[in-house]
Amino acid sequence: EVQLVESGGGLVQSGGSLRLSCAASGFTFSDSWMSWVRQAPGKGLEWVATIKPDGSETYYVDSVKGRFTISRDNAKNSLDLQMNSLRAEDSAVYYCARGGSTHFGNWGQGTLVTVSS
Amino acid sequence: QSALTQPASVSGSPGQSITISCTGTSSDVGNYNFVSWYQQHPGKAPKLMIYEGSKRPPGVSNRYSGSKSGNTASLTISGLQAEDEADYYCCSYAGSYTWVFGGGTKLTVL
Repeated sequence: EVQLVESGGGLVQSGGSLRLSCAASGFTFSDSWMSWVRQAPGKGLEWVATIKPDGSETYYVDSVKGRFTISRDNAKNSLDLQMNSLRAEDSAVYYCARGGSTHFGNWGQGTLVTVSS
Repeated sequence: QSALTQPASVSGSPGQSITISCTGTSSDVGNYNFVSWYQQHPGKAPKLMIYEGSKRPPGVSNRYSGSKSGNTASLTISGLQAEDEADYYCCSYAGSYTWVFGGGTKLTVL
């Protein structure tokens, strides 16, 4: 069974940093594209970032470029999202998702990030 | 990277069929066959229902079907059931490994 478990969310001040992690199991992580998708409270889904299976290339939505970094450790089956210079509009539930090359096949339960201004 | 356009809400009675539209542009929906649909119940994670426009993952009911015409994709749910009540989001590839979601549609089963 595919499992994706996010951690690292919390309350942070505007301009601060936070690092999210996602522990993956139940599939061959090193063969899988991985992504982060977020959802602001009461709002829709927004794609944030995607990383290739070998970590060689990364892709970001314009609003987070230069501030967020997606990375992975295939030896530990883990995915990270380093978030710097956080803004109020980054407040959201952040989902770890398997996929990003054709669709997002599996999702974690999400971790809440709240940025206070 | 503008969001795809979905109706805010749709409704139907049990047993009926409903269709949710998802309108994009020639840069996303109209240019690629990578439209997917996600179901989200309140407080839960999204679940993949349709991928590559019309394919169903294992375990998803065949009451769910997807299609595309030009810049508009559609999700049809036939034989509506109470458990289908949820938010539905479309998503399209937008080139260079970027993705755009729709604003979401709240489905109410009357």
